[in-house]
Amino acid sequence: GENVEQHPSTLSVQEGDSAVIKCTYSDSASNYFPWYKQELGKGPQLIIDIRSNVGEKKDQRIAVTLNKTAKHFSLHITETQPEDSAVYFCAAKKTGGGNKLTFGTGTQLKVEL
Amino acid sequence: EAGVVQSPRYKIIEKKQPVAFWCNPISGHNTLYWYRQNLGQGPELLIRYENEEAVDDSQLPKDRFSAERLKGVDSTLKIQPAELGDSAVYLCASSPDPGTDFTYEQYFGPGTRLTVT
Repeated sequence: GENVEQHPSTLSVQEGDSAVIKCTYSDSASNYFPWYKQELGKGPQLIIDIRSNVGEKKDQRIAVTLNKTAKHFSLHITETQPEDSAVYFCAAKKTGGGNKLTFGTGTQLKVEL
Repeated sequence: EAGVVQSPRYKIIEKKQPVAFWCNPISGHNTLYWYRQNLGQGPELLIRYENEEAVDDSQLPKDRFSAERLKGVDSTLKIQPAELGDSAVYLCASSPDPGTDFTYEQYFGPGTRLTVT
């Protein structure tokens, strides 16, 4: 089955700096890669996603890049703010997998003032 | 638009007791998922429904877990009897039909935090 690895497990940045979280996946048949933000006591919230026919996608301060050859994708957050502090999860969906998502283990992002 | 609703938000029970979780998906979403999230881990799929049909329950421990989605809307996940290792957050998610643009987004509820003592 699919295996998704996520690094780093914790990340601390100064407000205004950029943050990058990286994930690798094992199944070359995966075609959809969402990123979720989870705040304490809440469910995961979809913040951005990318499909396998696209190399990069941006939404304001957030961007995701995908390298299908290397089977890895990354989340980039620019101009970080304290409210960006949360746990971020990457996930992958396999083509024909019936919309089953396999999640990474999460990255605790802390934005310090 | 209302999001995915789950109840209760918290539940503390003793081992060997039964427990049930309820989920109301986003209106119009035909696909419903139950996930389990252990502390410090990502969510893991337990079961997926397409309308009333459980189309993927391969990860559901069927000896003690059961689920139902009557009328293809609300869903209930049950554990009987609960074990200490069942302590986790149980998340419900829903998604619309993929449609012609193959929309895959899943929207999560706040979860139920279960503690088994």
